[in-house]
Amino acid sequence: DAKTTQPNSMESNEEEPVHLPCNHSTISGTDYIHWYRQLPSQGPEYVIHGLTSNVNNRMASLAIAEDRKSSTLILHRATLRDAAVYYCTRYNQGGKLIFGQGTELSVKP
Amino acid sequence: EAGVTQFPSHSVIEKGQTVTLRCDPISGHDNLYWYRRVMGKEIKFLLHFVKESKQDESGMPNNRFLAERTGGTYSTLKVQPAELEDSGVYFCASSQLRGNSPLHFGNGTRLTVT
Repeated sequence: DAKTTQPNSMESNEEEPVHLPCNHSTISGTDYIHWYRQLPSQGPEYVIHGLTSNVNNRMASLAIAEDRKSSTLILHRATLRDAAVYYCTRYNQGGKLIFGQGTELSVKP
Repeated sequence: EAGVTQFPSHSVIEKGQTVTLRCDPISGHDNLYWYRRVMGKEIKFLLHFVKESKQDESGMPNNRFLAERTGGTYSTLKVQPAELEDSGVYFCASSQLRGNSPLHFGNGTRLTVT
């Protein structure tokens, strides 16, 4: 199962938008893209998911490229509590998540 | 609603011993998953239950690992005998039966084999 590819780390300033990129060039047509984030000593927490169309929820927005080979998680105004490891995952029809290494996001006050 | 709970939160055992991890999913969630992360690696799928049936166990490393979900409620993951390379964090997750439901993860069990 091909993993997703993300930058190892990113930095942001508080109150500014953050764009977290993800490459999934070998994703199949039926796999969804799910984003999770993980705080220290906790399990992954669901953020957002999509298939082809851009998606918005109270936590974030997800922009999916037209060819589905990449996507971007958008945090509109980063807060200190958003500092975490963000995982872009492939989700197949059986509910199996394929994790990559994730992006460690740090937020500066 | 209570989240996914895992027990114990930490376990330290010697090589060759047996350890049993427990997971209580969110009530009403028919899907239950086990994942693990070993040091320096990404989180990897181990197996998937739908109610009490094993739907996919393609990620189980070897026959020293045995997962059960009697009655379709809580699940246990037994490692017998434990080896050094089994050290890592074991996560359990659950989701509703309908397709594409997000997974709800527990906080994991950190297993250290010495």
